[in-house]
Amino acid sequence: QQQVKQSPQSLIVQKGGIPIINCAYENTAFDYFPWYQQFPGKGPALLIAIRPDVSEKKEGRFTISFNKSAKQFSLHIMDSQPGDSATYFCAASGAYNQGGKLIFGQGTELSVKP
Amino acid sequence: KAGVTQTPRYLIKTRGQQVTLSCSPISGHRSVSWYQQTPGQGLQFLFEYFSETQRNKGNFPGRFSGRQFSNSRSEMNVSTLELGDSALYLCASKLGQPQETQYFGPGTRLLVL
Repeated sequence: QQQVKQSPQSLIVQKGGIPIINCAYENTAFDYFPWYQQFPGKGPALLIAIRPDVSEKKEGRFTISFNKSAKQFSLHIMDSQPGDSATYFCAASGAYNQGGKLIFGQGTELSVKP
Repeated sequence: KAGVTQTPRYLIKTRGQQVTLSCSPISGHRSVSWYQQTPGQGLQFLFEYFSETQRNKGNFPGRFSGRQFSNSRSEMNVSTLELGDSALYLCASKLGQPQETQYFGPGTRLLVL
C-alpha cells in the first residue's frame, strides 16, 4: 500500500514531442505528489508538485494531471528539448507522517533526440 | 542561500567496516531526511530527523542509524558494511511542515568492496 508505481521505465522522444510519464498509488492518505528531475551525478530537484484537490497544474512546459478517483497522476512535458533528457521520479507523501517520508516511483529515463 | 551539502562526496570502504556520512541542510531548515538510491531498488527512504528527534523511519536494518544536532546538521552511520550497501546516499532538507518541498543534496557515493 506504500508503493508508487511509475511507467514507462524509459522513453525516447524527438525534440518537440510530448513525453508522458504515469504514476499510480494505493494509499489514500497520500496528499502531496511531487515530481523530481535528476541529472547524472546530481541529486533530484523538484520540478512541480500537486495536491489532490487540484486536477491539473502547469509550470512552464511541465504539466501534472491528477485523477483522484483512479489514484493516478501523470507528468507531461510540452515541446520537449534535448536538455530535458534526465531521469524523472514521481513521489508521494502524507501529512500523517508530516510529509517527511517521500515514497518514490522507480523512475523514468527520458531521452529527447535532437 | 547555500543548498544542501553532503560530505564526503565519494567513499570506498571494505566489508565489515563502518561509515559516517554528513549532511548540512539549507539554513533555517529543521527537517533532514536520508534516502538510499540504487539502480535496482531506486530511491528508498531511510529516516527523517526533525529538531534532533527521529520522526520517521524506513524499512532498513538497525545497521543504519542517524542523528541530528542542535544546528540541524545530520549524520548517518552504517555499521558492518555489506556489498549491497553500495549506493548513492542522498540527504534532503525542508523547513519541517507537510507538503513542503524537500531539497536534495548531491549525495555521497559509497562503494563497498
